[in-house]
Amino acid sequence: GQNIDQPTEMTATEGAIVQINCTYQTSGFNGLFWYQQHAGEAPTFLSYNVLDGLEEKGRFSSFLSRSKGYSYLLLKELQMKDSASYLCAVRDSNYQLIWGAGTKLIIKP
Amino acid sequence: GAVVSQHPSRVICKSGTSVKIECRSLDFQATTMFWYRQFPKKSLMLMATSNEGSKATYEQGVEKDKFLINHASLTLSTLTVTSAHPEDSSFYICTSFLGNTEAFFGQGTRLTVV
Repeated sequence: GQNIDQPTEMTATEGAIVQINCTYQTSGFNGLFWYQQHAGEAPTFLSYNVLDGLEEKGRFSSFLSRSKGYSYLLLKELQMKDSASYLCAVRDSNYQLIWGAGTKLIIKP
Repeated sequence: GAVVSQHPSRVICKSGTSVKIECRSLDFQATTMFWYRQFPKKSLMLMATSNEGSKATYEQGVEKDKFLINHASLTLSTLTVTSAHPEDSSFYICTSFLGNTEAFFGQGTRLTVV
């Protein structure tokens, strides 16, 4: 079966750095996505990786290793507004998005 | 950037009634629209994939007669929850891809059936 694993919840301090991991087992691979979702709102796009390596976009970076079925989202200089759920999703060989359950990130002052 | 507009954002309806949710792509043509359902603190669950001008493809376990999907144009897809029951209360979200690399989500619809 297809599976996306990410931690349920993480806590970090304002101004610090946090890394949210995602491992996946899917039938085929056509890209990995990270989304941010605030409670009661729709997800918003953060990043897309299809090749191995690190993609940097401001305070957020995303890394992919296809051979290991592994990705992480790195958030730097954390702000209180970064408190949200972070969803990892993989697009499989049928171009369907397989979603992880999300990681709830709690930022403390 | 591309925008998917979803309406209504919140709806409360009585058991047995039907509710229509609309998703419009405002500045691009959405050939394909994905409809998701999300329970509190749970991940997104794909309900169906709608393609413009053809019948929707439903995921296993999703009742096509209960969740009617219509994709009559390249800019509009609708989901109608028929004969709604309290267990249909959920957060419904539509999304479409622009190109190959980014999925744009509608704002979501919080449905409460009383």
